[in-house]
Amino acid sequence: NAGVTQTPKFQVLKTGQSMTLQCAQDMNHNSMYWYRQDPGMGLRLIYYSASEGTTDKGEVPNGYNVSRLNKREFSLRLESAAPSQTSVYFCASRDMTYEQYFGPGTRLTVT
Amino acid sequence: AQSVTQLDSQVPVFEEAPVELRCNYSSSVSVYLFWYVQYPNQGLQLLLKYLSGSTLVKGINGFEAEFNKSQTSFHLRKPSVHISDTAEYFCAVSAGSARQLTFGSGTQLTVLP
Repeated sequence: NAGVTQTPKFQVLKTGQSMTLQCAQDMNHNSMYWYRQDPGMGLRLIYYSASEGTTDKGEVPNGYNVSRLNKREFSLRLESAAPSQTSVYFCASRDMTYEQYFGPGTRLTVT
Repeated sequence: AQSVTQLDSQVPVFEEAPVELRCNYSSSVSVYLFWYVQYPNQGLQLLLKYLSGSTLVKGINGFEAEFNKSQTSFHLRKPSVHISDTAEYFCAVSAGSARQLTFGSGTQLTVLP
């Protein structure tokens, strides 16, 4: 039981490049989330998926897209990376008691 | 919409001393409340949560929190801290149709020898 896994762990991009962050959970949870963490700002919600086949914008969706590929996987795509997207990205899934389980994070630097 | 305010960005405390990390929230609907801990270069781990019932909630590692509806607070306490408690602590509220979390900005707890 791996919980929530994320790939890659680290990534450096140049401005304008694209990439996809992968997330998978093996706990059979319906809801999944993408957050970004910046110093002094806590975690901010980018997108979420309440169930397979649905996605919704969170607090800071601009510059991102998501895909809920199936119940296990929820990916986050940066189409044209900007320095402002330098951050640590966390994926999470939620159980029926409302607890969210977090992955180890992806550290992204955009130069 | 809901919001969370963590009143202290940094809290230094000596080992074996008590500590309180403060959290206030605002919401127009009923909320669930959480405290998470983040150790360096790791993801977040749940310390405790309040969904309903007793307003005093006990969590892992000897932490507890009290839900105060009239003061819209959910302060985290530990009677005696250890060096290993050094970490960043986040208060969060859960609301909305998908119960998405809104986080505070975090409190860095540093336990000094």
